[in-house]
Amino acid sequence: SQQGEEDPQALSIQEGENATMNCSYKTSINNLQWYRQNSGRGLVHLILIRSNEREKHSGRLRVTLDTSKKSSSLLITASRAADTASYFCATDGDNQGGKLIFGQGTELSVKP
Amino acid sequence: DAGVIQSPRHEVTEMGQEVTLRCKPISGHNSLFWYRQTMMRGLELLIYFNNNVPIDDSGMPEDRFSAKMPNASFSTLKIQPSEPRDSAVYFCASSLGWGYYGYTFGSGTRLTVV
Repeated sequence: SQQGEEDPQALSIQEGENATMNCSYKTSINNLQWYRQNSGRGLVHLILIRSNEREKHSGRLRVTLDTSKKSSSLLITASRAADTASYFCATDGDNQGGKLIFGQGTELSVKP
Repeated sequence: DAGVIQSPRHEVTEMGQEVTLRCKPISGHNSLFWYRQTMMRGLELLIYFNNNVPIDDSGMPEDRFSAKMPNASFSTLKIQPSEPRDSAVYFCASSLGWGYYGYTFGSGTRLTVV
């Protein structure tokens, strides 16, 4: 069963703007991860946030986690055209036996 | 490090033929995962190994699919016989260990069954 669901499905912004993507999930988790996929390429791991963490930063990326609402958000600040890609959240759940389950992704388009 | 290496990058085969996809994980990673990606179903976990042992193959769609990991540096995913609905991009990923580390994905094998 699919765990993470991203919102919105697609997002189009101008260079320099911030992009926010959201992820909701259904069951308790050990950690939640965000990945980026450029067209025709493999997924690239961006950031992992554990269930006991609320916020994490990596460069222009900021991830928050609210376990009470079973949701996470990924914020990309000062976006660049090179950030154009699909972004996926993935959950490592308590009852998933080590499986990482991916959502359907958000397609981000950053226009120069 | 060369990352996770998959071969071939592209495979076009006729229905009924056997297809073998190959993966070399990152040295030292003890977990290996096979995913399939389609527009309709997104990313689906097919099977994963820990220390070369299959842990969960519940995502393998049918008996036509099989996977092996004979040693820590090599895994195969085999489809026999192949069908048009198997057309997808197949990704291999490896990790130092689930629960604490992210996955490193290969570039994928785009399989087309005609």
